[in-house]
Amino acid sequence: AQSVTQLGSHVSVSEGALVLLRCNYSSSVPPYLFWYVQYPNQGLQLLLKYTSAATLVKGINGFEAEFKKSETSFHLTKPSAHMSDAAEYFCAVSLGSGGSNYKLTFGKGTLLTVNP
Amino acid sequence: NAGVTQTPKFRILKIGQSMTLQCTQDMNHNYMYWYRQDPGMGLKLIYYSVGAGITDKGEVPNGYNVSRSTTEDFPLRLELAAPSQTSVYFCASSLSGRGSGGNEQFFGPGTRLTVL
Repeated sequence: AQSVTQLGSHVSVSEGALVLLRCNYSSSVPPYLFWYVQYPNQGLQLLLKYTSAATLVKGINGFEAEFKKSETSFHLTKPSAHMSDAAEYFCAVSLGSGGSNYKLTFGKGTLLTVNP
Repeated sequence: NAGVTQTPKFRILKIGQSMTLQCTQDMNHNYMYWYRQDPGMGLKLIYYSVGAGITDKGEVPNGYNVSRSTTEDFPLRLELAAPSQTSVYFCASSLSGRGSGGNEQFFGPGTRLTVL
């Protein structure tokens, strides 16, 4: 079984400040991990994914995430927030290369607000 | 490629009515999924399909039915609409499961359904 916990349903930052969105996972096998972004009234778009290669993963729009097995974490960061980053962000986990790895389990989401 | 398309974008139903939410993908993906998204709850998997003619229940299948007669189409049927089915529905697809390099799911723009 797998699960995802996103700490903080709402994060507010100032434009230019560091963005840190937290995600912890639970998985019985080495996982694949994903961050998706959802802009208002749109579907989900993949930001980045971890598939057991490099532990520091770079994604689109300047975001990156680091897989830390010892902490079972996959936190999303961006050095400098932009107004256009305002959206809801979802962390998701699948079972990696074993088992039914086509199914994703999503966290409840974190709404990011960027203040001018 | 259009990717994943969904129709309609919006719909209001009366209690007890039925409807079909349409989903089509043009990426030749084997795997397709239906999710519902409720505020603060993330995405919950309703049904999924691993290929034409094969479907299975997800986390919240009650009140819904699906079929998969072609690779491209994966309609979701609501037979007797209830207020609890008021939600935003997303269809997604992915190339395959095992060995797919991370099973990125591609999402449609969603259908916003209200049951009154």
